[in-house]
Amino acid sequence: GNSVTQMEGPVTLSEEAFLTINCTYTATGYPSLFWYVQYPGEGLQLLLKATKADDKGSNKGFEATYRKETTSFHLEKGSVQVSDSAVYFCALYISGGSNYKLTFGKGTLLTVNP
Amino acid sequence: NAGVTQTPKFQVLKTGQSMTLQCAQDMNHEYMSWYRQDPGMGLRLIHYSVGAGITDQGEVPNGYNVSRSTTEDFPLRLLSAAPSQTSVYFCASSYNRGPREQYFGPGTRLTVT
Repeated sequence: GNSVTQMEGPVTLSEEAFLTINCTYTATGYPSLFWYVQYPGEGLQLLLKATKADDKGSNKGFEATYRKETTSFHLEKGSVQVSDSAVYFCALYISGGSNYKLTFGKGTLLTVNP
Repeated sequence: NAGVTQTPKFQVLKTGQSMTLQCAQDMNHEYMSWYRQDPGMGLRLIHYSVGAGITDQGEVPNGYNVSRSTTEDFPLRLLSAAPSQTSVYFCASSYNRGPREQYFGPGTRLTVT
């Protein structure tokens, strides 16, 4: 079946540090890949996405590149801010057939200190 | 647009009680879904719907019922609440028939004592 593995948190960084959150996947097919973010006390929001190999998704300074050869979609940001403190979820979806389910990783808690 | 709305925001139930969590969206989205979020477990899909009149089970459907009589509404019914159903419940919707880009509601925090 399909699965998503994220690096376990929590991740604690100082403001302006570089962020990487690793995400790898296994899938029977050709998935679309997503990063969602959940700020404290809120629902999830789509942060960025990529739908084919070598696509780079980007938003709010965050980037992730769809690497088919390594089945990875690592999230990066060059300089984090306190406001980036949240839980980050990697997810995949394979369209077609009778599959209508988004597969999530377990989430990585990021805390950014001033 | 209000997006995806959920009510109530908080709820406390006694074991054996039933209740309905409400979810509505005003974006004319075809796909709607319910998840539960538990510490260390990520999000788990309970039920989903690809359009009015069509529903199907997700990973953890036991103890929950859904119906989709309109495009806008997708209520989740707890038939006989159990402490194991203590969780945060999220409703989500997406424009496409599948969950490519989902919009999430703010969640309902449910405690079953």
